[in-house]
Amino acid sequence: EAQVTQNPRYLITVTGKKLTVTCSQNMNHEYMSWYRQDPGLGLRQIYYSMNVEVTDKGDVPEGYKVSRKEKRNFPLILESPSPNQTSLYFCASASGLTWSTQYFGPGTRLTVL
Amino acid sequence: AQTVTQSQPEMSVQEAETVTLSCTYDTSESNYYLFWYKQPPSRQMILVIRQEAYKQQNATENRFSVNFQKAAKSFSLKISDSQLGDTAMYFCAFPLLTGANSKLTFGKGITLSVRP
Repeated sequence: EAQVTQNPRYLITVTGKKLTVTCSQNMNHEYMSWYRQDPGLGLRQIYYSMNVEVTDKGDVPEGYKVSRKEKRNFPLILESPSPNQTSLYFCASASGLTWSTQYFGPGTRLTVL
Repeated sequence: AQTVTQSQPEMSVQEAETVTLSCTYDTSESNYYLFWYKQPPSRQMILVIRQEAYKQQNATENRFSVNFQKAAKSFSLKISDSQLGDTAMYFCAFPLLTGANSKLTFGKGITLSVRP
């Protein structure tokens, strides 16, 4: 089954404790992206990647890192999480064609205390 | 600037009836795609339907169809024979292309409740 997976689905952590949210897709997509969803602010893009070893900042990259060592994986790293990073996070992937459809993972609910 | 507007924050419909969700957008592009995504209580973001702007024909996926008016920059979603499982938030979205980035611009969403 074609899908985007994220882990963990739910995470409660404390300020400053490094964490990684994994994202993997099995559709051989070139393009991958991270969004965060917050009430009243909608979905905002954090980082995106056009291909292996090619990543760039979205609208709200502060406090996040990403890597793209393999085509299928695009982890989101929070080196020192803070409470304002409490949010619902989505990973998405697309085939890389200009107008291709983006498919979303199930989301990761992160709470930083 | 590219914008997406969903002006109805909430709607309610009786099971088995038809409901239309509105969306307007603004773009200077002449060729683009538009999407409707559904976010049920599970919070997953699920693609409902896609419309290519260069196509005259409105897209249809089973009970879901769109009314695409390119000149008016309007992209509404019609749900026929509403089912309880259609209860969700619905987002209109389309990609903003900037270099290698295809960032989706979303509307604020419409909360749809289907009544039994």
